[in-house]
Amino acid sequence: GDSVTQMEGPVTLSEEAFLTINCTYTATGYPSLFWYVQYPGEGLQLLLKATKADDKGSNKGFEATYRKETTSFHLEKGSVQVSDSAVYFCARSKNTGFQKLVFGTGTRLLVSP
Amino acid sequence: DGGITQSPKYLFRKEGQNVTLSCEQNLNHDAMYWYRQDPGQGLRLIYYSQIVNDFQKGDIAEGYSVSREKKESFPLTVTSAQKNPTAFYLCASSIGASGAETQYFGPGTRLLVL
Repeated sequence: GDSVTQMEGPVTLSEEAFLTINCTYTATGYPSLFWYVQYPGEGLQLLLKATKADDKGSNKGFEATYRKETTSFHLEKGSVQVSDSAVYFCARSKNTGFQKLVFGTGTRLLVSP
Repeated sequence: DGGITQSPKYLFRKEGQNVTLSCEQNLNHDAMYWYRQDPGQGLRLIYYSQIVNDFQKGDIAEGYSVSREKKESFPLTVTSAQKNPTAFYLCASSIGASGAETQYFGPGTRLLVL
C-alpha cells in the first residue's frame, strides 16, 4: 500500500551545518508530497509541498524536489539554526478514494550552537 | 486570526470513562481530520469528515467516535473501549480533499490515563 519512509533520528548538527533528511515514498500513482514540522508540544505546520514530478518546494531556507525516478523527496537546508530544532515529517497523499495523507515516522533534528 | 483550536491542552481519563476532545476551526474548511500520535510513530488517522453530517473511519477508529453537526466543529470521543488511549491527539482541516491541499493542524491535546 501507500507508505513513506524517513531516515531515523535524531539528526544532530552544529549551527550553520548542511542538513539532509531523506524521504522515499511508494511509487503508486501521482501523489502530492509534503514536509511538515512539529516544534515541541505543538501541532504540525506545513513547511513545503510539491504536487508533481520535478517540482521544488521551498520555504524558510528549506528545499525539497519531487523526484519520480528515485521516488524521493529529500529535505535540505544549507545552513541550519538552533531554532530549526524540531521533528520533521514527510507525507504523501493517497491515491484511492478520499485523499488522506500518509505520514512517515518523523525525524528529530537537534541543532547545537 | 483564522485557525484551529483544540481543548483542553491536557486531559486525564479514569478507567471506564468516556472523554471528549474539542476541535474548532474558523477557516471555513469542508474537510476535518483526527490523528493520533505516539512516540516513534507517524500520525495515524482515526476519523475524517469531508462535509457536515458525514464522517468516515480512518485506519484506527476502534474505541473512538466523532460527530460533525456543524462545519466548524469536529469533536472526538475516546470511549472506554479504547484500551490504550494515552497519546497526543491532533485535529486538522483542509479546504477540500483533492490530495494537493494543505492540512492545517491544531496545537493538540495530550490524553493521559489515571
